[in-house]
Amino acid sequence: AQSVTQLDSQVPVFEEAPVELRCNYSSSVSVYLFWYVQYPNQGLQLLLKYLSGSTLVESINGFEAEFNKSQTSFHLRKPSVHISDTAEYFCAVSDRPLLGGSEKLVFGKGTKLTVNP
Amino acid sequence: NAGVTQTPKFRILKIGQSMTLQCTQDMNHNYMYWYRQDPGMGLKLIYYSVGAGITDKGEVPNGYNVSRSTTEDFPLRLELAAPSQTSVYFCASSYRGLTYEQYFGPGTRLTVT
Repeated sequence: AQSVTQLDSQVPVFEEAPVELRCNYSSSVSVYLFWYVQYPNQGLQLLLKYLSGSTLVESINGFEAEFNKSQTSFHLRKPSVHISDTAEYFCAVSDRPLLGGSEKLVFGKGTKLTVNP
Repeated sequence: NAGVTQTPKFRILKIGQSMTLQCTQDMNHNYMYWYRQDPGMGLKLIYYSVGAGITDKGEVPNGYNVSRSTTEDFPLRLELAAPSQTSVYFCASSYRGLTYEQYFGPGTRLTVT
């Protein structure tokens, strides 16, 4: 079964600084990878996803993540953060259903990003 | 579209009581999911459904039941509530399977005392 490790439970940064939120998953033949964001007192929203193709995926608000198969990682980065990026970020992974996986996502424990002025 | 709606927003139960958490989506999505979120633990899948009349267990199904009689509704039933079921519960839906975005409801905060 898949598992996801988010190495940092909390990441404090100053506004306009770069940030990297780390995510590693257990090895598998082929996976789908996701980052979801949860703002305070809200449900989760999809930030970006990797299904296939280019290993670098981007979101509309400046985040990007790179799929690294050899390192089994999918780290999330942003070159310059804003106060409004303060939220909890969840990495999620699934085996590809057509290759014997199920229709289930496995979530990491989350990383709380706090952007300070 | 209202998206995914959940009721109630908050509930306090006594040990041994039962209740149903309601979830409705108006996006005509086939797939629906129930998760629980505990502090520092991420989200755990309780049950999911790939269409009306079809449900399957997730990672932590014990103590819960679901049904899916319509495309729109996916209620979660707690029988004999226990303190270990104190959590925030999220319902989600997606058009098809995992390649499609899951849309989450606002959550139900449940306390069992």
